[in-house]
Amino acid sequence: GAVVSQHPSRVICKSGTSVKIECRSLDFQATTMFWYRQFPKQSLMLMATSNEGSKATYEQGVEKDKFLINHASLTLSTLTVTSAHPEDSSFYICSALAGGTGELFFGEGSRLTVL
Amino acid sequence: RKEVEQDPGPFNVPEGATVAFNCTYSNSASQSFFWYRQDCRKEPKLLMSVYSSGNEDGRFTAQLNRASQYISLLIRDSKLSDSATYLCVVNEGSYIPTFGRGTSLIVHP
Repeated sequence: GAVVSQHPSRVICKSGTSVKIECRSLDFQATTMFWYRQFPKQSLMLMATSNEGSKATYEQGVEKDKFLINHASLTLSTLTVTSAHPEDSSFYICSALAGGTGELFFGEGSRLTVL
Repeated sequence: RKEVEQDPGPFNVPEGATVAFNCTYSNSASQSFFWYRQDCRKEPKLLMSVYSSGNEDGRFTAQLNRASQYISLLIRDSKLSDSATYLCVVNEGSYIPTFGRGTSLIVHP
């Protein structure tokens, strides 16, 4: 079946630094990928929809200049958390849509801790 | 965006019990429906798609009621390993899937 790979799975960084998270679809082309954030014991919150070759669509309340999304190819989308602060510490998950079925395939998630 | 509603629970049931979750959706034009399972600190994983005719996979049965705009998930003979959060996902055809908040299931000995 389709596989989505996300890297890194865990990252710890200092406040003020930037962190890049990669999301790759390994055996299918994903024109659309989604980025979510999940705080402990809370539901997945959609941050943005990443479209290959065009600008991402951000959900209300998500700062596009802080969470930079690049979807330069059909198999790779990246999320960069710029100038990270402790309140950005969270579980970030990407997913890719398998065209036709509407099924979502998720990356393994990236746990960000900002000190 | 249209809403997808789930009872967050937790549903606390003994091993062997049968438990059912419902998920309501507000957009009548919704086209595809899924149940995902999410374990603590892990990514969601597809449990099963939900078809108009209903579908069954072992102890799990999913059903769709378009008239009342809800989908259901029935788990029979609950196992300890079924403890997780169950997410309802509705795709409206715009291909931006909408998630419910998830229903927490705790199966105890």
